[in-house]
Amino acid sequence: KAGVTQTPRYLIKTRGQQVTLSCSPISGHRSVSWYQQTPGQGLQFLFEYFSETQRNKGNFPGRFSGRQFSNSRSEMNVSTLELGDSALYLCASSLRLVGQQTGNTIYFGEGSWLTVV
Amino acid sequence: KNQVEQSPQSLIILEGKNCTLQCNYTVSPFSNLRWYKQDTGRGPVSLTIMTFSENTKSNGRYTATLDADTKQSSLHITASQLSDSASYICVVSGDDKIIFGKGTRLHILP
Repeated sequence: KAGVTQTPRYLIKTRGQQVTLSCSPISGHRSVSWYQQTPGQGLQFLFEYFSETQRNKGNFPGRFSGRQFSNSRSEMNVSTLELGDSALYLCASSLRLVGQQTGNTIYFGEGSWLTVV
Repeated sequence: KNQVEQSPQSLIILEGKNCTLQCNYTVSPFSNLRWYKQDTGRGPVSLTIMTFSENTKSNGRYTATLDADTKQSSLHITASQLSDSASYICVVSGDDKIIFGKGTRLHILP
């Protein structure tokens, strides 16, 4: 069974540009969540989508947005990029919402490395 | 404030030795606690997941324990191998929250 697929794997953008990252979850998984990972802050939760609806949101500015399509694939967008947005962006999928209990393993993709120059 | 604190920040041990990583949390309400292994430049991979009623969970040479009363968890690695060199991240979930620890960076020396 295919895992979580993220594209692109690496990208470089300049300040002020916008970027869209894509995530294809494991087949049958309806929850897709997004995370930012930086050396200083570690992993931080961005938002979670379930059945095309945003169910939970982390403490990030409105420049960070996302959406989920009817086939559970998800995209996240960052507008007006800043140098501090340089990070590894991870997508994860699970059968149920990430906060729910037993049997709900969260599977991560390999991430998209974003460098803002 | 909901927090997950991991210790030590980094650890170096010789191949074949055992080690224990710690995780203390203040997340409330509590739903589950997970340990992940993350190799450099890769996505995290799930090792164990435990709810409040589970005291211990094993996955091969990895054994996680949970004390829901003291809000502490540990990850014990037995007979370490070079491939165990990675970051180990403790993650606590509750309601709609998911809080990550900053991880322990483990280096295994031959």
